Amino acid sequence: AQSVSQHNHHVILSEAASLELGCNYSYGGTVNLFWYVQYPGQHLQLLLKYFSGDPLVKGIKGFEAEFIKSKFSFNLRKPSVQWSDTAEYFCAVNSPGGGADGLTFGKGTHLIIQP
Amino acid sequence: NAGVMQNPRHLVRRRGQEARLRCSPMKGHSHVYWYRQLPEEGLKFMVYLQKENIIDESGMPKERFSAEFPKEGPSILRIQQVVRGDSAAYFCASSPTAGVDEQYFGPGTRLTVT
Repeated sequence: AQSVSQHNHHVILSEAASLELGCNYSYGGTVNLFWYVQYPGQHLQLLLKYFSGDPLVKGIKGFEAEFIKSKFSFNLRKPSVQWSDTAEYFCAVNSPGGGADGLTFGKGTHLIIQP
Repeated sequence: NAGVMQNPRHLVRRRGQEARLRCSPMKGHSHVYWYRQLPEEGLKFMVYLQKENIIDESGMPKERFSAEFPKEGPSILRIQQVVRGDSAAYFCASSPTAGVDEQYFGPGTRLTVT
């Protein structure tokens, strides 16, 4: 069975600081990888996704993530955070095909950006 | 193009009652997924449906929970004889195809069992 581990449950940063949120998954086969964000009072939105190709993926709002297959990792980065990035961030994975298309989520990282 | 709709947004039930949660996927989407989020936990996959078919229910509790996605109308997640442990946020997502597309999430239904 797949599992997703997000290393940091709570992160507090000041504006303009650099961000890196860790995500590791446990599945040896082909995977699709996602980062979702949930802003306060809103529903989950896709930040970025990796299916194949260039392992460095750029998403919305200046976020990017790097897929490192040898480390089973898909860490999320942003060079300079803003107060509006305060939200809950979820890493997710699925293994396409065979009907097993439901996403497996990590427990989430609560990011607070202090002005 | 309206997003994924879920209703009700909040539902309060007493122990032993039934809860019915509805999900209308985005227009043109025929794949629906249900997830449950318990406090301090990430979302847990419950069931994946296509029109009139359950494709994967590996995450559904064996008893009291059922789901359907009829030819016409919304997908329904039904919980019979609710218990306090069923209190959670239930999210629905839809996608146009399986596996290779992102899933679009609804706002969720927060179920409280008293």
